[in-house]
Amino acid sequence: GEDVEQSLFLSVREGDSSVINCTYTDSSSTYLYWYKQEPGAGLQLLTYIFSNMDMKQDQRLTVLLNKKDKHLSLRIADTQTGDSAIYFCAEKGSSGNTGKLIFGQGTTLQVKP
Amino acid sequence: ETGVTQTPRHLVMGMTNKKSLKCEQHLGHNAMYWYKQSAKKPLELMFVYNFKEQTENNSVPSRFSPECPNSSHLFLHLHTLQPEDSALYLCASSQDSDGADTQYFGPGTRLTVL
Repeated sequence: GEDVEQSLFLSVREGDSSVINCTYTDSSSTYLYWYKQEPGAGLQLLTYIFSNMDMKQDQRLTVLLNKKDKHLSLRIADTQTGDSAIYFCAEKGSSGNTGKLIFGQGTTLQVKP
Repeated sequence: ETGVTQTPRHLVMGMTNKKSLKCEQHLGHNAMYWYKQSAKKPLELMFVYNFKEQTENNSVPSRFSPECPNSSHLFLHLHTLQPEDSALYLCASSQDSDGADTQYFGPGTRLTVL
C-alpha cells in the first residue's frame, strides 16, 4: 500500500539551514505537501508541489522533488526558534478523487538558540 | 487562524458516554474531513464528505458516526468509545476533494476516554 516515511527528529542551531527529508512509495502521486504543526495546534499548510515540478521556492522554504527516487525534501533557510515544530510530509495519489492524503509520521524540528 | 474551528478543544469522557465533536468552516469549501492523530502514528483519515455526501469511510468503527448537515458543518458523534480512541481529532476542509485543493485544518479536539 501507499506509505510515507520521515525521520523522526532533527536538531539545528538558530541561523543554520534545516533539511527535512521524506520518501514515499506511490509512483502515481500527483501532489506532495508540507504541513507544520505547533504544540496544541492543528496542521498549517506550508507549501505543496505538483509532481511534474522538481523544485519550488517560497521565501525561506525550498522544496525539492526527485520523482525517480520518490524523495521529497524541505529546506528552511536561516532557521529560527519559531520554526520549532513537527513537520509532516503528505502525498496525494491519482487513484480516485476522494482527496485522501497519506501522511508521514512527522519530523520534530528542534532549533537551539 | 485557518477559518476552520472545532469545539470543544478538550473532551474527557467515559466509555459509556455519548458526545459529539463539532467542526465549522468559514471558507466556502465543499469538502470536509475527519482525521485521527494518535501519538507516534501518522495522521489517519477517517471520513471525507464532498458536497455533503460521504465519499470515504476509511474502515472506521461504527462507534464513530459522522454527520454533515451542510457544507459548512461537520460533526463526529461518539458513543461507547474505548481508551485506545483517545487522540487528537482534526477536522479539515478544502474547496473540493479533487485536484491540488489544499486542506485547511482546524486546531483539533483533544479527546481522552477513561
